[in-house]
Amino acid sequence: AQKVTQAQTEISVVEKEDVTLDCVYETRDTTYYLFWYKQPPSGELVFLIRRNSFDEQNEISGRYSWNFQKSTSSFNFTITASQVVDSAVYFCALSEDGTGGFKTIFGAGTRLFVKA
Amino acid sequence: NAGVMQNPRHLVRRRGQEARLRCSPVKGHSHVYWYRQLPEEGLKFMVYLQKENIIDESGMPKERFSAEFPKEGPSILRIQQVVRGDSAAYFCASSPGQGLNTEAFFGQGTRLTVV
Repeated sequence: AQKVTQAQTEISVVEKEDVTLDCVYETRDTTYYLFWYKQPPSGELVFLIRRNSFDEQNEISGRYSWNFQKSTSSFNFTITASQVVDSAVYFCALSEDGTGGFKTIFGAGTRLFVKA
Repeated sequence: NAGVMQNPRHLVRRRGQEARLRCSPVKGHSHVYWYRQLPEEGLKFMVYLQKENIIDESGMPKERFSAEFPKEGPSILRIQQVVRGDSAAYFCASSPGQGLNTEAFFGQGTRLTVV
């Protein structure tokens, strides 16, 4: 069965601190995608990154970086020098390329509070 | 290139009324997915449709909920006789099909409030 676990329900940091959001997934497929989405207080889903299962290279985009470790089934997300605007709920998600199309399984989300 | 368009963005219904949520996929996309996000929770898959076909409705409640994706026009998620527990954000996503380099794009969601 597919499952995404975000063990951290809420994290609170002070501006400029680095913060890592954890994500652990379960799947039996060899071909799958991992995603991170941001949901700000306004409610929309903002796509941050997609990773496919064949690409374990870590990625950096500005203050954001992602660490994909297939050996531990983890796809962690780090925000460097956090800012108040980073306050949001962050979802990790898994999508498998199969007969289910791109049905996406979401984690429960981690609510990040960044205090000034 | 317009993304996934959902309307209305906000919908208020009284208990017992019907709610109709619309989703226009990205132009050229033939696969649509509906998700529900209850307050303070993650998104949960409801249904996956291709043009005129329901492929996977394993996440749909057995009663009062239905979905369609006709040959022409948007996909519709219909909730009959709404109850307070239906209050949630409903997200739609679309994809062009299956394959390693495709992905699903999400709309901005419809927030349903049942009063």
